[in-house]
Amino acid sequence: DGGITQSPKYLFRKEGQNVTLSCEQNLNHDAMYWYRQDPGQGLRLIYYSQIVNDFQKGDIAEGYSVSREKKESFPLTVTSAQKNPTAFYLCASSIDTESYEQYFGPGTRLTVT
Amino acid sequence: GEDVEQSLFLSVREGDSSVINCTYTDSSSTYLYWYKQEPGAGLQLLTYIFSNMDMKQDQRLTVLLNKKDKHLSLRIADTQTGDSAIYFCAEHDPSGSARQLTFGSGTQLTVLP
Repeated sequence: DGGITQSPKYLFRKEGQNVTLSCEQNLNHDAMYWYRQDPGQGLRLIYYSQIVNDFQKGDIAEGYSVSREKKESFPLTVTSAQKNPTAFYLCASSIDTESYEQYFGPGTRLTVT
Repeated sequence: GEDVEQSLFLSVREGDSSVINCTYTDSSSTYLYWYKQEPGAGLQLLTYIFSNMDMKQDQRLTVLLNKKDKHLSLRIADTQTGDSAIYFCAEHDPSGSARQLTFGSGTQLTVLP
């Protein structure tokens, strides 16, 4: 089945540690996105990528980094510089950035203590 | 700047109609969307409307767009307990360079038996 997978579903880390969240898609989509969701707030864009080896900062990129070495994969690293990393992280993809439809993964809930 | 606003909560009785409202500020938006998020899951696209349309109906869902007032609504007929979820309104401005979708904060719909 085609879709987007994120792993793990729950992730716990100690403050000061970097952590990488996985996002894989087999939809052959060019564009991929990372969003952060906090309670009572909408989704905020962290980074997006239109094509392999290219990515752009979104609204809240500080403290995060990404890579896009393969079309299928867009991992997100939450660094120790991110002041409030505990959140629900959602990955999405679309055929290209002009497409109206984004397909979302199931999300990863990161808790940093 | 772009902003999408929704009320945070809505409760309805099973079998009644639900109406979820959204206002947006970007008059150049081309597509407006409704996404559904079930607890602990990613977002699922429910429906969308192009900005030159006033209404779109898809089974139990009716989307109304008042472009003059920048008001979007989602009506769910014969609401069922399975419709309990968070509903996000989002807009797409193709002229934007940093992001493709702007999401509202979401409306938590609770369906009471």
